[in-house]
Amino acid sequence: QVQLQESGPGLVKPSQTLSLTCTVSGDSITGGDFYWSWIRQPPGKGLEWIGYIYYSGNAYYNPSLKSRVAISVDPSKNHFSLNLTSVTAADTAVYYCARTTVTTAKFDSWGQGTLVTVSS
Amino acid sequence: QSVLTQPPSVSAAPGQKVTISCSGSSYNIGNNYVSWYQQLPGTAPKLLIYDNNKRPSGIPDRFSGSKSGTSATLGITGLQTGDEADYYCGTWDSSQRGYVFGTGTKVTVL
Repeated sequence: QVQLQESGPGLVKPSQTLSLTCTVSGDSITGGDFYWSWIRQPPGKGLEWIGYIYYSGNAYYNPSLKSRVAISVDPSKNHFSLNLTSVTAADTAVYYCARTTVTTAKFDSWGQGTLVTVSS
Repeated sequence: QSVLTQPPSVSAAPGQKVTISCSGSSYNIGNNYVSWYQQLPGTAPKLLIYDNNKRPSGIPDRFSGSKSGTSATLGITGLQTGDEADYYCGTWDSSQRGYVFGTGTKVTVL
């Protein structure tokens, strides 16, 4: 049973960089059948896909965030990370990591989510 | 603003049936598989339906999915109080060049 766990600061100052890590257990990131994704949800609002990465390092991003987002993967630690630069209050959200099937892009396992607040 | 439109809310009495629509276009639903996610209050979303109409292991057959043209539908029969949640559709969009989620629908059991 795969498990994903997000970690990182819960408070980030405006204009700074939001950095989160998702640690995967019960599955290998290098397995090849999955992308590894980040999704966010502002308080009281819907879901927004941020992007995903393959174990090889190939990443795909939401065009609306592409200029500020970078997702990286560390196979040796079986984790992947999110960096979001120049954050504003609009980036306040619960951030989820998820496993995504390569074939039909379904998010079949999710982390519990972590709330990141952007505030001075 | 999402390219997938869902009704904001639906409701029904226990034991009854509800359907949730997800309206898109040829750029998304029309040419890609649709998934549905259930988000219980205060929890992470959970995969409910994938590839338009398939259920992951452990999801009861009270939940069903279908797709026709550029729209998809989630059905819930034998409604239970534990089904009160937000439900989201999702699929790849070739115009947006990314994965898109629907606007979300809140299910209330009366």
